[in-house]
Amino acid sequence: QLQLQESGPGLVKPSETLSLTCTVSGGSISSSSFYWGWIRQPPGKGLEWIGTIYYSGSTYYNPSLKSRATISVDTSKNQFSLKLTSVTAADTAVYYCARDSSGYGQFDYWGQGTLVTVSS
Amino acid sequence: QSALTQPRSVSGSPGQSVTISCTGTSSDVGGYNYVSWYQQHPGKAPKLMIYDVSERPSGVPDRFSGSKSGNTASLTISGLQAEDEADYYCCSYAASYTYVVFGGGTKLTVL
Repeated sequence: QLQLQESGPGLVKPSETLSLTCTVSGGSISSSSFYWGWIRQPPGKGLEWIGTIYYSGSTYYNPSLKSRATISVDTSKNQFSLKLTSVTAADTAVYYCARDSSGYGQFDYWGQGTLVTVSS
Repeated sequence: QSALTQPRSVSGSPGQSVTISCTGTSSDVGGYNYVSWYQQHPGKAPKLMIYDVSERPSGVPDRFSGSKSGNTASLTISGLQAEDEADYYCCSYAASYTYVVFGGGTKLTVL
């Protein structure tokens, strides 16, 4: 059974960089059939897609993040990561990693999510 | 403001059917058959309920069905059960610039 687990600091200071890693177990991140994505959810609000990566390194991002987001993949560790620069309180959210089964934004496996708070 | 428009809330009694709409444009919902629906219970991760507009993943009850007409997709839940009470989100592929967009979410209350 495929499992995804987010990890990283739960508290980040304003203007600093948020860094999260998603570890995939029970399957290979190098599978040519799947893509891997990050989605976030501010407290009490809806889901927002952040970006998606293919194992080859191809990436797609939400333009609303204005180039602050970078997603990378480490196939040797079966992990993919998110960096979000110049964070503000508006970036406080539960961050989820997920598998995109089609490459078209259809996420069939999700991590449990990790809350990241931006505060000094 | 979300790219896809959903009603804020819907409700129904046990055994009834409810339909949740998701309205986009010809650049997302109307242009591609890559609409998905997610169920989210409080404090839990979203769960995929429908993909490719109307396909159900293994394990999802056939009480859940999806459809699309023009720029509007719909999720219908028949034979409502108490455990269906949750937030529901639609999502669509949007190609080029936006790529993936979510709806604002709909809270389903089972009366």
